[in-house]
Amino acid sequence: EVQLVQSGAEVRKPGESLRISCKGSGYSFSSFHIAWVRQVPGKGLEWMGVIYPGDSDTRYSPSFQGQVTISADKSIKTSYLQWRSLKASDTAMYYCARVGYCGSSSCRDLDYWGQGTLVTVSS
Amino acid sequence: QSALTQPRSVSGSPGQSVTISCTGTSSDVGAYDYVSWYRQDPGKAPKFLIFDVHKRSSGVPDRFSGSKSGNTASLTISGLQAGDEADYYCCSYAGSYTLVFGGGTKLTVL
Repeated sequence: EVQLVQSGAEVRKPGESLRISCKGSGYSFSSFHIAWVRQVPGKGLEWMGVIYPGDSDTRYSPSFQGQVTISADKSIKTSYLQWRSLKASDTAMYYCARVGYCGSSSCRDLDYWGQGTLVTVSS
Repeated sequence: QSALTQPRSVSGSPGQSVTISCTGTSSDVGAYDYVSWYRQDPGKAPKFLIFDVHKRSSGVPDRFSGSKSGNTASLTISGLQAGDEADYYCCSYAGSYTLVFGGGTKLTVL
């Protein structure tokens, strides 16, 4: 059974750093892209970026480029989303999802999702 | 890129059909047959429903169907059931390893 299990909720102050994780199981973790998706409370889903754990090739949405870092460690089947300096506007639920297919011509189908990690940034 | 446009809410009575539209541009929905749909229940992660415009994910009943015309994709739910009440999101490939979501539609079963 394919599963993505994310780390637990976090509370931080503005300016602090944070790394949250997403561990895959039940499939070849290195062979499928992992996407990260933000959902601000009461709002819709936003595509942040995608990483291919096999070679750590990473692509970011222009809206999130430079704001976060996506990484992966294929040896422990885990992807990470990291902030160097959090802002209050980073308060949101963050989901990782497996991309069913992602290649030079397309990325599509977020077929399995993690349970989400709630990040709260407040002074 | 801007979010795809979905109606904020739709409603229907049990047994009826409802259609949720998803309007993009010639750079996303209109350019690729890679539209997918997701259902999100309150406090839960999204669930994968439809891919490649009209193909159902495993276990999704055939009451759910997808289509596309030009820059607009649609999700139709027929034989509406109380359990279909949720938020629905469309998503399209937009080139360069980028996906764009719709703003989400709240489905209410009357």
